[in-house]
Amino acid sequence: DIQLTQSPSTLSASVGDRVTITCRASQDLNNWLAWFQQKSGEVPKLLIYKVSNLESGVPSRFSGSGSGTEFTLTISSLQPDDFATYYCQHYNSYSWWAFGQGTKVEI
Amino acid sequence: QVQLQESGPGLVKPSETLSVTCSVSGVSLSGYHWSWIRQPPGKGLEWIGFVNYDGSSHYNPSLRSRVTIFIDKSKSQFSLNLLSVTAADTAVYFCAGYEVGVGGRGYWGQGALVTVSS
Repeated sequence: DIQLTQSPSTLSASVGDRVTITCRASQDLNNWLAWFQQKSGEVPKLLIYKVSNLESGVPSRFSGSGSGTEFTLTISSLQPDDFATYYCQHYNSYSWWAFGQGTKVEI
Repeated sequence: QVQLQESGPGLVKPSETLSVTCSVSGVSLSGYHWSWIRQPPGKGLEWIGFVNYDGSSHYNPSLRSRVTIFIDKSKSQFSLNLLSVTAADTAVYFCAGYEVGVGGRGYWGQGALVTVSS
């Protein structure tokens, strides 16, 4: 089975900072990688799908990149609404999926 | 407007079977992977498994021996059965529909808290 490891687990940052979160996979994901944002008590919200595609309505300060086994989520200028926990997720149509363990972005 | 709504008992006794159903409205069941995802209190997201429109399914290897996910097209629902539960299965259970071939896009329910306790 595929393992996803996010780093860091917790990230302390300030408004206006550039933030990067990394997701490493135990095997090639064939670009089936998405990023979600979750605030406490809320449903996860899709930010990025298929590595780098911005979901409709998501601010352009969010971007995704990577390939193979290493992927990143970047927030170009952190806003107050961005303090949350972020998860990467592998998805495919033929076998199992997986989530990373999460990265909490805090002030 | 697409809506996914989880329903099930909020409390299940240890060793019993946890059953949760997701009712889907506003979208056809075809063209999506219908999935269950859970989140223990204060912890991260865990994928449980998914079922396709044709009834085929895939499960998390760590849960495979205890999990069944099935679809009821006539009722526009899909359901999760988890056998022999313990306190470690206490979690918010989310249902979600992922659009086939898109990779992450789709719809989520609001989640249902299921507590395992005697």
